[in-house]
Amino acid sequence: AQKVTQAQTEISVVEKEDVTLDCVYETRDTTYYLFWYKQPPSGELVFLIRRNSFDEQNEISGRYSWNFQKSTSSFNFTITASQVVDSAVYFCALSEAYMNRDDKIIFGKGTRLHILP
Amino acid sequence: ETGVTQTPRHLVMGMTNKKSLKCEQHLGHNAMYWYKQSAKKPLELMFVYSLEERVENNSVPSRFSPECPNSSHLFLHLHTLQPEDSALYLCASSQGPEMGNEQFFGPGTRLTVL
Repeated sequence: AQKVTQAQTEISVVEKEDVTLDCVYETRDTTYYLFWYKQPPSGELVFLIRRNSFDEQNEISGRYSWNFQKSTSSFNFTITASQVVDSAVYFCALSEAYMNRDDKIIFGKGTRLHILP
Repeated sequence: ETGVTQTPRHLVMGMTNKKSLKCEQHLGHNAMYWYKQSAKKPLELMFVYSLEERVENNSVPSRFSPECPNSSHLFLHLHTLQPEDSALYLCASSQGPEMGNEQFFGPGTRLTVL
């Protein structure tokens, strides 16, 4: 069965520290997409990145970087030089090519990140 | 207005009330979604509409009734809810319901059922 695990429920770091959010997924499919979303206190989820299963190239966008490792079924997210505005809940999600009708996209439970000034 | 908007942002209702949540997207997308976000639980997909047709209904109780009159608007009609239905209800849209399309979310409606 497809599954997304974010083992870190809550993380607190001091501003300017680097922090990595872990995401491990399970799938039987060879074609799938992985996502990260950010949910700030205002409530709406904000799309951060999408990765398809055939593209293992790591990506960097400003202070954000993503490490996709198919060998360990992980798609980890690192924030470099964290800022207070990064405080939010971050969700990892999986979408497969042949999901059953109950699962269009599976979200992890989220990691609540606190950046302390 | 841009993006995905939801009204109301907060709603308190009794178990016998009937209310509706509204979602509007200004992105020209063809697919719209309702999600339920409860404390300490993953986001739960409730309904998916593609080109105004319902394509997914994830075993949601009939006290939740969706309506999609056009590709820009989505409603969730509520009646005889239970206290355990209290949650944040999020609406989202995407270009299509296919795998790989990122979803754009509204700010949600915080629902409290007394």
